[in-house]
Amino acid sequence: NAGVTQTPKFQVLKTGQSMTLQCAQDMNHNSMYWYRQDPGMGLRLIYYSASEGTTDKGEVPNGYNVSRLNKREFSLRLESAAPSQTSVYFCASSEITDTQYFGPGTRLTVL
Amino acid sequence: QQQVKQSPQSLIVQKGGISIINCAYENTAFDYFPWYQQFPGKGPALLIAIRPDVSEKKEGRFTISFNKSAKQFSLHIMDSQPGDSATYFCAASTHSGGYQKVTFGIGTKLQVIP
Repeated sequence: NAGVTQTPKFQVLKTGQSMTLQCAQDMNHNSMYWYRQDPGMGLRLIYYSASEGTTDKGEVPNGYNVSRLNKREFSLRLESAAPSQTSVYFCASSEITDTQYFGPGTRLTVL
Repeated sequence: QQQVKQSPQSLIVQKGGISIINCAYENTAFDYFPWYQQFPGKGPALLIAIRPDVSEKKEGRFTISFNKSAKQFSLHIMDSQPGDSATYFCAASTHSGGYQKVTFGIGTKLQVIP
């Protein structure tokens, strides 16, 4: 089992460009999450998907959109990147009452 | 509003010593308290977790102490090793709307020196 995989690992964007971060899990989990990690801020929830076909906003959703493509895949889209979105992005998955399993992260720099 | 307060932000411990990281929470609806360990360039991974009906949980050199009345919990790493050098996040979660809502502390960067 690969667990949670994320692509790309690194990305540099210019302000105003768009991109999609991809996430997939092979653990048959119902719930999936997108977090961003910034120094001194811990992990903050951007969006989550409690189950296939549903998505909801987390703590810091502005500037992002998500798609739960199927049970395995959950993508995060930046429509018009801003320097404030420079961060490390983590995808995670879990069952409702279980531990969250994290992917290796995507390191995004917006110039 | 920081719902889970974690301290210290950084910690240096000698090899063989005890590392202690403290967390405090405000929301009494939290029902699951995991600790995550994160190595540089990697995603966080569950280290140990506790539910509020238990005051202590031990797994090897790692122990969680939980004080429900004080709304505080802590991680103790006994006989700390250089390989324990990582960032540690406490967290508190509750179940809401069919998903597990997790609130993380800001993290503690632990360095264990030989």
